[in-house]
Amino acid sequence: SQQGEEDPQALSIQEGENATMNCSYKTSINNLQWYRQNSGRGLVHLILIRSNEREKHSGRLRVTLDTSKKSSSLLITASRAADTASYFCATGGDSSYKLIFGSGTRLLVRP
Amino acid sequence: SAVISQKPSRDICQRGTSLTIQCQVDSQVTMMFWYRQQPGQSLTLIATANQGSEATYESGFVIDKFPISRPNLTFSTLTVSNMSPEDSSIYLCSVRQLNTEAFFGQGTRLTVV
Repeated sequence: SQQGEEDPQALSIQEGENATMNCSYKTSINNLQWYRQNSGRGLVHLILIRSNEREKHSGRLRVTLDTSKKSSSLLITASRAADTASYFCATGGDSSYKLIFGSGTRLLVRP
Repeated sequence: SAVISQKPSRDICQRGTSLTIQCQVDSQVTMMFWYRQQPGQSLTLIATANQGSEATYESGFVIDKFPISRPNLTFSTLTVSNMSPEDSSIYLCSVRQLNTEAFFGQGTRLTVV
């Protein structure tokens, strides 16, 4: 079953704008990860943030984590048409290898 | 990192038949996972493929419908049995070490007619 929800379900922005996606989860976690999926293909890992971290950056990506609210956000700055994809958060527990995925956000970046 | 080869990449199958999906990893990994992604939906974990023992299935998934093999640390198969149109989905193989990122195959797009 899915761990949590993401919002918005779909997001359409102009190239150059920033895109923010939010993820909420239900149980305690060891880490939270974000993945991208192009056109129903395999997922690509973007960034991992551990439960004792509050913010992490990777290139144009910025992820925040608030464990008290059980939520995370992914910010993509200066978006490009190539960023068009579905984005998923996934959570991993303390002693479990398995990842549970959120509902996903479909991002469309218009040229 | 890990490179995963998954095949077939897509198939169209008749209802009532079975399809076996293969997943080959370029290195030995402890944990392999099978996910299903129904059209327009997120990923749902089907089962964890354990080497040397029976797979561990998630709620709503049973061995008779989705038998899994894991003969060694680099290979696994998932069979979708007695297929119906509701089984039309993308099936994804994944590997992961504890507290690290997961790696995915390119998926198998299954259409049941």
